[in-house]
Amino acid sequence: SAVISQKPSRDICQRGTSLTIQCQVDSQVTMMFWYRQQPGQSLTLIATANQGSEATYESGFVIDKFPISRPNLTFSTLTVSNMSPEDSSIYLCSVGDLGQISSGANVLTFGAGSRLTVL
Amino acid sequence: DQQVKQNSPSLSVQEGRISILNCDYTNSMFDYFLWYKKYPAEGPTFLISISSIKDKNEDGRFTVFLNKSAKHLSLHIVPSQPGDSAVYFCAAYQAGTYKYIFGTGTRLKVLA
Repeated sequence: SAVISQKPSRDICQRGTSLTIQCQVDSQVTMMFWYRQQPGQSLTLIATANQGSEATYESGFVIDKFPISRPNLTFSTLTVSNMSPEDSSIYLCSVGDLGQISSGANVLTFGAGSRLTVL
Repeated sequence: DQQVKQNSPSLSVQEGRISILNCDYTNSMFDYFLWYKKYPAEGPTFLISISSIKDKNEDGRFTVFLNKSAKHLSLHIVPSQPGDSAVYFCAAYQAGTYKYIFGTGTRLKVLA
């Protein structure tokens, strides 16, 4: 399965600032996703990062707050903009194969996550 | 609307005994169910899955049972080992949506 490098692994940020999280995969993948895990909560899908086009956002998440880039099939970034303490979470990059996901056989592979604390 | 629920936030089991982790769901359209394991400071890793057309899937010490009428699945770990201590997430997937819905996780502690 793919190996994902995500950075930063953790950061402490000031309210009102923005932070960009990078996700690098060691192989080309069709599907890349960004998840958030707030304290005590489940993993929630923020958006699907589409190569060469705008990301597809889930309900409750907007591009102005969470701009995403995906310039190629191995790399993506998620920016958390104008941060507030409510944005303190673990942000996870994950990848999957379109064909396998369609068949249900696949599973998502996750990065180690980026733990953000907003003061 | 929490479509996938894990009502037990934590579970402690003696080494060698059986661990049973439970998960309930509300959407009868889910096609696959998966279990992920997460260690601290690591991303979740896939453990085992089951198709909605089956009621049991086994992989070594891990068995997942699906009860569609009750919209309930469970993960059995036998025998439990200290290395199994982790947070376990239940997830559900509906074909064609490319979306996985996760539960809130159950923290398993296996006592030596």
